[in-house]
Amino acid sequence: DTGVSQNPRHKITKRGQNVTFRCDPISEHNRLYWYRQTLGQGPEFLTYFQNEAQLEKSRLLSDRFSAERPKGSFSTLEIQRTEQGDSAMYLCASSPRTRGTTDTQYFGPGTRLTVL
Amino acid sequence: AQSVTQLDSHVSVSEGTPVLLRCNYSSSYSPSLFWYVQHPNKGLQLLLKYTSAATLVKGINGFEAEFKKSETSFHLTKPSAHMSDAAEYFCVVTFSMFSGGYNKLIFGAGTRLAVHP
Repeated sequence: DTGVSQNPRHKITKRGQNVTFRCDPISEHNRLYWYRQTLGQGPEFLTYFQNEAQLEKSRLLSDRFSAERPKGSFSTLEIQRTEQGDSAMYLCASSPRTRGTTDTQYFGPGTRLTVL
Repeated sequence: AQSVTQLDSHVSVSEGTPVLLRCNYSSSYSPSLFWYVQHPNKGLQLLLKYTSAATLVKGINGFEAEFKKSETSFHLTKPSAHMSDAAEYFCVVTFSMFSGGYNKLIFGAGTRLAVHP
């Protein structure tokens, strides 16, 4: 299967700990997005990468959050000093760059974070 | 500013009856609109998308949606529900500042569809 993959699928941590999630996009997709989904809500945009460049960050992404995409392939999302409010599903999506039309984003299964 | 309102948080239908999931959007620009489905413990899957071509859009698994600019609506329909259609459905709006630009998706709160035998 060559879809978007995310690891780990589940993460339980204690408040104040740091966590890191990984996203592997579909091969050759140069666009990569992170979203966050809390219980009972639709996903919300966090950040966007085009190749290795982070071109947009949402105001939802506080200073405790950092995302990288070295070499324009996989991406990591790190949360420092986790808080209970960080508990959510973190979704990654990728898309190819298209000309003249809206790209379609393909989503991974997500990483569910629980902060105790 | 862009936003999406899904008018029903829960919809319950009997197997074999029609499905209607309602969505209204707000956008200052010409929007692109999507419907995604999320089954438990699975990723979001694209059902269909509208990008200023035909206003009636056909998707996978027998779903379709009609873009109505005058009503700012993009309702999702299916003639006959199947048990496997039970899932969470999200209406999504986006736009690009320029052709081929990237899109941050704006999701509605979701509609949970239950299908009864």
